[in-house]
Amino acid sequence: NAGVTQTPKFRVLKTGQSMTLLCAQDMNHEYMYWYRQDPGMGLRLIHYSVGEGTTAKGEVPDGYNVSRLKKQNFLLGLESAAPSQTSVYFCASSPRDRANYGYTFGSGTRLTVV
Amino acid sequence: KNEVEQSPQNLTAQEGEFITINCSYSVGISALHWLQQHPGGGIVSLFMLSSGKKKHGRLIATINIQEKHSSLHITASHPRDSAVYICAAATFSGGGADGLTFGKGTHLIIQP
Repeated sequence: NAGVTQTPKFRVLKTGQSMTLLCAQDMNHEYMYWYRQDPGMGLRLIHYSVGEGTTAKGEVPDGYNVSRLKKQNFLLGLESAAPSQTSVYFCASSPRDRANYGYTFGSGTRLTVV
Repeated sequence: KNEVEQSPQNLTAQEGEFITINCSYSVGISALHWLQQHPGGGIVSLFMLSSGKKKHGRLIATINIQEKHSSLHITASHPRDSAVYICAAATFSGGGADGLTFGKGTHLIIQP
C-alpha cells in the first residue's frame, strides 16, 4: 500500500548540475502532478500529465522538464540547477474522477542548490 | 483565478484546546480539500468536502458554499496535531490543470 513514492528524499546540488526526481504511484491513477513548495507561498504546479506519454506545463514550468513514459512513473528533470530552484518538491496523483476521489501526495523531495 | 486565504497563518495553543482554522475562497468551487503536513513530512489528505460537514476522529471540517468559507476544527488538541494545515480549492471546469488553488497554510503548534 505504497501510494505515491518520491525519490530521492533529500539532495544537494551545485549550480549548473542536473538531476531527475522520480515519482511512482501504484494506484493506477491517470493524472500525475509535480509541485514546488516555497516558504510563504502555496504549492505551485510545475508540470502535470493526464496520461502515459502526455505532459503539459503548469504555473511555474521554466527550468524543468518532465516525462511520463510509463503510467505509474512521472519524472521531473532539472537540466541546469539554479539556486532559485531550492525548494521542496511534491508529486501527487489522482484518478480521472478527481472530483469524487481526490488526490494522493508523496512525502516530498527537499532540494538545495548551492 | 481562485484566491484562497487562510487564517491564522500561525497558531500556538495549549494541549486540550479547541482549534479552528479558517479558509475563504473567491470563486465557486467543486470541492474544498484540507491537507496536513507534519514538519519535514509529506502531505496527507484529511478531508474533501463540497457541502456540510465531515468528521474524522477529533477533526471536523465544515463548508459554507454561499459564504465561500470553510473551517477545520480540532477538538481536544494534542502535541501530535502540530503541523501545517493547508486548504485547497478545487475547480474542475475551466480552472488550472490540476484544478487546485492552495492556501499558504496555517502553522499549528500544540504545546504540552
